[in-house]
Amino acid sequence: QIQLAQSGAEWKQPGASVRISCKASGYIFGNFGVAWVRQAPGQGLEWLGWISASTGDSKFSQTVQGRVTFTTETSTATAYMDLRSLKLSDSATYFCARASSSAVGGVSIWGPGTRVTVSS
Amino acid sequence: VLTQSPLNLPVTLGQSASISCTSSQSLVHSDGKIYLNWFVQRPGQAPRRLIYKVSARDSGVSGRFSGSGSDTDFTLKVSSVEADDVGVYYCMQGTHWPPTFGQGTKVEI
Repeated sequence: QIQLAQSGAEWKQPGASVRISCKASGYIFGNFGVAWVRQAPGQGLEWLGWISASTGDSKFSQTVQGRVTFTTETSTATAYMDLRSLKLSDSATYFCARASSSAVGGVSIWGPGTRVTVSS
Repeated sequence: VLTQSPLNLPVTLGQSASISCTSSQSLVHSDGKIYLNWFVQRPGQAPRRLIYKVSARDSGVSGRFSGSGSDTDFTLKVSSVEADDVGVYYCMQGTHWPPTFGQGTKVEI
């Protein structure tokens, strides 16, 4: 059964950094990519970026480019998202999702989400 | 830009419902495929994909869900709506970078 498990909720102050993990199971991790999507409270879905699990190539949306890093650890089938210089507007639920290996096509399976709250 | 309509859709159990998704540009990829997906998000849950590449149903998705369309105009149809179908439905294009989502359509009984 294909699953993505994410790390727990985080509470951060403005200017801090947060790392979210996404552990995959049930499929060959290196054959796919991982996408990151967030959803502010009561709002729609916003694509943040994508990383190839095999090559580490990454692509980012302009919203977070320069503040975000995506990494993967194939030995543990885990993807990570690091978001720096947090702003109040970064408060959202962050989802990882299985994506294609080419960044084309979209996503299929989603993780349960990680709630990040940025507040002073 | 993906524009969904309507944004709110009250439905009657047993009736059909349709959601439209219109793209500001063609979603035909250079490989000839159209990467238009449909997701449903139930309250407090992660989105779940229902349809990919316009009309292909994901494994385990009821045959009551069907997708159609081409180029810039797409439709998700739910036939014989059931109580479990409530949620917010999103279209998403994976043809152009960055992938984008529609605003979402809230379906309620």
